[in-house]
Amino acid sequence: GENVEQHPSTLSVQEGDSAVIKCTYSDSASNYFPWYKQELGKRPQLIIDIRSNVGEKKDQRIAVTLNKTAKHFSLHITETQPEDSAVYFCAASNPGTASKLTFGTGTRLQVTL
Amino acid sequence: DAGITQSPRYKITETGRQVTLMCHQTWSHSYMFWYRQDLGHGLRLIYYSAAADITDKGEVPDGYVVSRSKTENFPLTLESATRSQTSVYFCAARGTGGEGYEQYFGPGTRLTVT
Repeated sequence: GENVEQHPSTLSVQEGDSAVIKCTYSDSASNYFPWYKQELGKRPQLIIDIRSNVGEKKDQRIAVTLNKTAKHFSLHITETQPEDSAVYFCAASNPGTASKLTFGTGTRLQVTL
Repeated sequence: DAGITQSPRYKITETGRQVTLMCHQTWSHSYMFWYRQDLGHGLRLIYYSAAADITDKGEVPDGYVVSRSKTENFPLTLESATRSQTSVYFCAARGTGGEGYEQYFGPGTRLTVT
């Protein structure tokens, strides 16, 4: 089955700096890659996603890039703010397996003042 | 996100007891999922359902039972709760095709087994 690895497990940046979180996946048939943000005690919230026919997608301060050949994708947050502090999860899904999401183990992002 | 609810939000039960966690969606999405979230393990899939009366195992199904008699409801039952099932449980739903890849989560149920 699919295996998703996520790095780093913790990341601390200063307000205004950029943050990058990386994920690799194992199943070359996976074609959908969402990113979720989870604040303490809350549900995971979808913040951006990308499909395998696109190499990059941007939404204001966040962007996701996908390298299908290398089987890795990354989340980029620019101009970080304290409210960006949360745990971020990447995931991958394969349409051949009912598009079930396989999640990475999460990255705790701390944005310091 | 308000279209998917879970109950109870918090539950304490004793080892060996049966407990059922409820999940309800107002969208009529075909797919529904149950995950557990534990520190260091992220989100792990327990069971999922592609439609009413169609369910299948996920990554960690042992000790759990699901049913889906109606599209909008997807209850998860722990037949005989164990301490290892202490966790936060999230239900999720998504549609099919088109923009239907997007999966949305309920608010979660924090379960403690003593």
